[in-house]
Amino acid sequence: EAGVTQFPSHSVIEKGQTVTLRCDPISGHDNLYWYRRVMGKEIKFLLHFVKESKQDESGMPNNRFLAERTGGTYSTLKVQPAELEDSGVYFCASSQEETYPYEQYFGPGTRLTVT
Amino acid sequence: RKEVEQDPGPFNVPEGATVAFNCTYSNSASQSFFWYRQDCRKEPKLLMSVYSSGNEDGRFTAQLNRASQYISLLIRDSKLSDSATYLCVVNRGFYNTDKLIFGTGTRLQVFP
Repeated sequence: EAGVTQFPSHSVIEKGQTVTLRCDPISGHDNLYWYRRVMGKEIKFLLHFVKESKQDESGMPNNRFLAERTGGTYSTLKVQPAELEDSGVYFCASSQEETYPYEQYFGPGTRLTVT
Repeated sequence: RKEVEQDPGPFNVPEGATVAFNCTYSNSASQSFFWYRQDCRKEPKLLMSVYSSGNEDGRFTAQLNRASQYISLLIRDSKLSDSATYLCVVNRGFYNTDKLIFGTGTRLQVFP
C-alpha cells in the first residue's frame, strides 16, 4: 500500500512568489493534517481536514496560506505571496480515525526555501 | 513556555548502552502520548504509543506519569541504527484524532 506522498520534494522560490504544495494521503484516510518545521524549531500543526471539511485551522500562520481538499482526497497548500519566514519543511500526515494503532502517517515532506 | 519540553541533547552513547529520554508536557488536557523517531531529513515515524501502565516493545520501554505530566523513553542495548532524533508528542484527542503537539526532539548518536 502506498504511503503519504508529497510533491514537490524541494522548492526554491523568491520572496513574493506563489508556491503550491500537494499531499496525497493514504487511500481511504479521512483525516489529513499539515504540519511545518522551521529551522531550529519543533514541528508545528497548521491544519486538519476531515474529508473535505476543515476541522481545525488554528495553526495557519496568516491569510497568505490557503489549504484545500476538494473531494476529500488530495490536498493542496498554497502560499501567496511567500515570505522569507515561510522557509521550512512542510509535512502532510493522514490517519483513519479510531483505527488501531491510531497513527498519523507522515509524508516525506516538502522542503521550501524562500530567498 | 513550550507545551512539550525535551532535552535536545545530543546524547552520545556507545553500542550496548542504556539511555533514557525525558519529556514534560504542560497541558493537562492531553489524552494520548507518543514517541516518534525522525531520521535526518526524513519524516517522523511512530515508534510507540505511551500508556499510563507503561509499555515495552523489545528494547524500548515507555512510561507516562499523568500526575507529574512526564513521559519517558528507555532504550536498552543501543544499536548503531538507533541513532536518530526522538520526538515526544502529545495529542489532546483520544485515539490520536486531534493535532499532534511536538517537542523539539532529543538527538541520539550511538557510536561503535
